[in-house]
Amino acid sequence: TQLLEQSPQFLSIQEGENLTVYCNSSSVFSSLQWYRQEPGEGPVLLVTVVTGGEVKKLKRLTFQFGDARKDSSLHITAAQPGDTGLYLCAGNNAGNMLTFGGGTRLMVKP
Amino acid sequence: EAQVTQNPRYLITVTGKKLTVTCSQNMNHEYMSWYRQDPGLGLRQIYYSMNVEVTDKGDVPEGYKVSRKEKRNFPLILESPSPNQTSLYFCASRRSSYNEQFFGPGTRLTVL
Repeated sequence: TQLLEQSPQFLSIQEGENLTVYCNSSSVFSSLQWYRQEPGEGPVLLVTVVTGGEVKKLKRLTFQFGDARKDSSLHITAAQPGDTGLYLCAGNNAGNMLTFGGGTRLMVKP
Repeated sequence: EAQVTQNPRYLITVTGKKLTVTCSQNMNHEYMSWYRQDPGLGLRQIYYSMNVEVTDKGDVPEGYKVSRKEKRNFPLILESPSPNQTSLYFCASRRSSYNEQFFGPGTRLTVL
């Protein structure tokens, strides 16, 4: 089983601060996805990164896929209370399995 | 509306009483999966299916069964539930192995 480790597990910050969430593995993934999950709902896809070194931006969120396709990061600029939620990374190997990290629970206080 | 539906949303049962959680998608997706979500462990894949009559084990298949007789439905069966299967279960579907995965709303199962 390929493992994905996310850090930090919990993050509580004030509105307006910046933050970075990390997703690391010793395995290579063909693509990596980031999801956000709110209480009582299923995860919703934010982005898919495919190419090593790829950087994607979604408004205040910046996603990066490591050059070796073993790690990824999510950076949020000027966090807002609406960013509160559980952030999950998921790695896709050449087969059909999607391996999820343990998640980072983010709370942004007004 | 494109969606994945699960039923029931909440279920409390007792050890050993067989149960089925249904999952249905209306997007004509080939791939469907079942996950369980436990605190600190993220989402762990139980079973997945690549098409009708094609299923395979995920990371934690013990104690679960699935079937894929129709493209839209992928029920999860617990023949003899045990307390360690108390968890939040999600069904998901996607068009191919690289596409966005759509999740259902979740089923919270408690086994006493």
